[in-house]
Amino acid sequence: TQLLEQSPQFLSIQEGENLTVYCNSSSVFSSLQWYRQEPGEGPVLLVTVVTGGEVKKLKRLTFQFGDARKDSSLHITAAQPGDTGLYLCAGATGNTPLVFGKGTRLSVIA
Amino acid sequence: ETGVTQSPTHLIKTRGQQVTLRCSSQSGHNTVSWYQQALGQGPQFIFQYYREEENGRGNFPPRFSGLQFPNYSSELNVNALELDDSALYLCASSFPGGRGTEAFFGQGTRLTVV
Repeated sequence: TQLLEQSPQFLSIQEGENLTVYCNSSSVFSSLQWYRQEPGEGPVLLVTVVTGGEVKKLKRLTFQFGDARKDSSLHITAAQPGDTGLYLCAGATGNTPLVFGKGTRLSVIA
Repeated sequence: ETGVTQSPTHLIKTRGQQVTLRCSSQSGHNTVSWYQQALGQGPQFIFQYYREEENGRGNFPPRFSGLQFPNYSSELNVNALELDDSALYLCASSFPGGRGTEAFFGQGTRLTVV
């Protein structure tokens, strides 16, 4: 069974601070996605990474896929209250269904 | 491009009843997956449909069943509802062969079983 462990589970920071969220597994994934979910809504896809060592940037968000394709990180620079939400990582092997972590709940305080 | 839409958005049912949730997939997507998300948890995979056939199933009992129609829309049926079935049910559509298994989610159906 493929498992994705996310850490930290909860994070509360002040506006303007930087943060990193981690997603780890003992399994190798062919692709990994990061989603953000707001209360009562479905997850919204932020990025997909498929190559070991790949780094993708989305404005103040930087995503990295580990060299061995078993882990990933999400770094947010100068967090803003609009970044508040549940951040989920999800991995897949080939066309298998996505396996999700439990998420990191981020709260950015103005 | 039409996104993924789910109906209804909220639903309250009594234990033992049956429920049907509906999902319209994103235009051009032929694969639909259903997930259950309990409060404070990540989504858990229920099953996936590809071209009207079940194409993978998670650890859910047979009272969870589904259908996919020729237009790729889908239904999730749950029989003999239990209190623990209360959750946000998410539908996601995807197109295999793209950049990884990118899934696009609907807004979900919040099911409460009382």
